[in-house]
Order: sequence, then structure tokens, then C-alpha cells
Amino acid sequence: AQSVSQHNHHVILSEAASLELGCNYSYGGTVNLFWYVQYPGQHLQLLLKYFSGDPLVKGIKGFEAEFIKSKFSFNLRKPSVQWSDTAEYFCAVLSYNTDKLIFGTGTRLQVFP
Amino acid sequence: EADIYQTPRYLVIGTGKKITLECSQTMGHDKMYWYQQDPGMELHLIHYSYGVNSTEKGDLSSESTVSRIRTEHFPLTLESARPSHTSQYLCASSEETTENIQYFGAGTRLSVL
Repeated sequence: AQSVSQHNHHVILSEAASLELGCNYSYGGTVNLFWYVQYPGQHLQLLLKYFSGDPLVKGIKGFEAEFIKSKFSFNLRKPSVQWSDTAEYFCAVLSYNTDKLIFGTGTRLQVFP
Repeated sequence: EADIYQTPRYLVIGTGKKITLECSQTMGHDKMYWYQQDPGMELHLIHYSYGVNSTEKGDLSSESTVSRIRTEHFPLTLESARPSHTSQYLCASSEETTENIQYFGAGTRLSVL
């Protein structure tokens, strides 16, 4: 069965620190990849996505992610986090075969001033 | 910004009650979804619909039912709520494209006593 693994369940950083959240998936076919973010008290919203082309994709608020096909990974990065980045981050994979979005368990990020 | 609405946001009810969680979207999306999310866990797909009069069960077995009589409306019903139904329920919608970017509502947090 397809699965998505997020290895960091809870990350605590100080402002200006660099961030990298890991995401690995198990499906070998053609996939679309997503990172969603849920700020406290708000709905899930799309942070960035990868469908094809340049494996380094840029999203909102200075986030970027790199798709490494050989490693089945789609790690999320930000060079310098802000207090306002405190949120829960979910990696998700859509396989073309099933047309279903599979989510990871999420990573809770806390940024302290 | 997605226009997808869920009501109520919070619901506390007693065992055995019948409840309906409402979900509406104003984007004209054909595809709609219901996910269940427990704290610290991934989102699990429980129902989806590809259009009016289309409903399918998702990967996670659920005692709930759904209907899709109108494009914009996708309510979820529990005929007899139990404490095991306590969870957060998220509704989402997407366009009929291969990209399948899903837009989420704010969720309904259900507690069954």
C-alpha cells in the first residue's frame, strides 16, 4: 500500500534558524507531490506542489521543496524561519493510478522569537 | 483563497444521536472529499464524490454516509453517533484535472460523549 512518511513529528526552532522537514513516499509510479500547512485555528492550505519539470519548487512565504526521484523524497526547506511559521506541516502524495491523496502524519513546527 | 465551508466547527453530542456535518463549496468543483483526522495522525479519506449522484467509500472504513444531490453540497451523516466517532472531520474539493489540488474547509471537531 502507498504510504507517506514524515520523520520529524515535532520540531522546535529559534527565529532565523534554517528548516528542513523530511518526506518520503512509497509509491513508484507517477505522482504529484504537495506540502500543506495548517496554521493554528485555520484550515489546511497549499504551501507548494510538484507535478513535473524542475525538481526544485518554490512556494509561498519563502518555502521551497526538492523532489529527488531516486530517493522517493520531497523535503521541505526554508533558509530562515519566522515566528509566524509556527504551524503543522503535512506532506501528501497523489498517485495517478489511484487518484487519491495520501497524507503523512504531519510535523508540528514551533518557532520561538 | 478557497471557498469551502463546514458547519458546525465544533459539536458535542450524546451517544445515539443522529448528526449531519455540512460542507459546501462555491467554486463549482466536481470532486469532493471527506477526511477524518485524529491528533498526531495522518488524514484518512473516508468518502469521496466525483459529481452529482456519485459517492464512494474511501480507504478508511467509516459508519458515516454521504450524499451529493447538488454540486456544491456534500453532507456527511452519522445515524447513531458513538464515542469512537470522536474526531476531526475535514471536507475538501478539487477541480476535475490531473493536478487534483484539493482545497480544504476549516473542519468540524466532533466529540461524542
